[in-house]
Amino acid sequence: EIVLTQSPGTLSLSPGERVTISCRAGQSVDSSYLAWYQQKPGQAPRLLIYGASNRAAGVPDRFGGGGSGTDFNLTISRLEPEDFAMYYCQQYGGSPPFSFGQGTKLEIK
Amino acid sequence: QVQLQQWGAGLLKPSESLSLACAVYGGSFSGYFWTWIRQPPGKGLEWIGEINESGSTNYNPSLKSRVTISVDTSKNQFSLRLNSVTAADTAFYYCARGLRSGGTSSLDFWGQGNLVTVSS
Repeated sequence: EIVLTQSPGTLSLSPGERVTISCRAGQSVDSSYLAWYQQKPGQAPRLLIYGASNRAAGVPDRFGGGGSGTDFNLTISRLEPEDFAMYYCQQYGGSPPFSFGQGTKLEIK
Repeated sequence: QVQLQQWGAGLLKPSESLSLACAVYGGSFSGYFWTWIRQPPGKGLEWIGEINESGSTNYNPSLKSRVTISVDTSKNQFSLRLNSVTAADTAFYYCARGLRSGGTSSLDFWGQGNLVTVSS
């Protein structure tokens, strides 16, 4: 199983700021298999990014993804109030199980 | 628009079996991996397993001895059964559609989730 480690665990920021969340894999991951999800309280996760850098349908362009090999990141260029939520990375390709990172909580400062 | 609607029992006693079902509306049922994920309250996401329209399954090794995922293509539905539950199986359970093709690997549509509580 590929272990994904996200950092930081919690971020306290203000609207308008820029944020980058890291996802480090225990072994190399094909970038086409790396996805990011957003989850708000009481809701199911929502796909944000697939293939490490491709925005899902309807996702604002302030969300961006990048990276390769074992290091990936999610960047939000200017935080909006609705962006404060939990974020998870996932490797979804190769051999199962298809693990998730432990999550990063983005909270309002 | 693709929608996944899930249902099942929400309160179980230890040693009972968990059963959840998920119906898929809109889009094709073929060519996807129909997936179950769970999330203990306040914790992270755990991939449980998946099935395709042909009935081919993959399971998380941590649950494999207790899990069965099945599919009914005539109804565009798939189901989860988890045997011998304990309090550690208390979680929100989600169904989702998985796509692994040409750089689009992701779980792109999710059900609304069901809280399953195991308590004596």
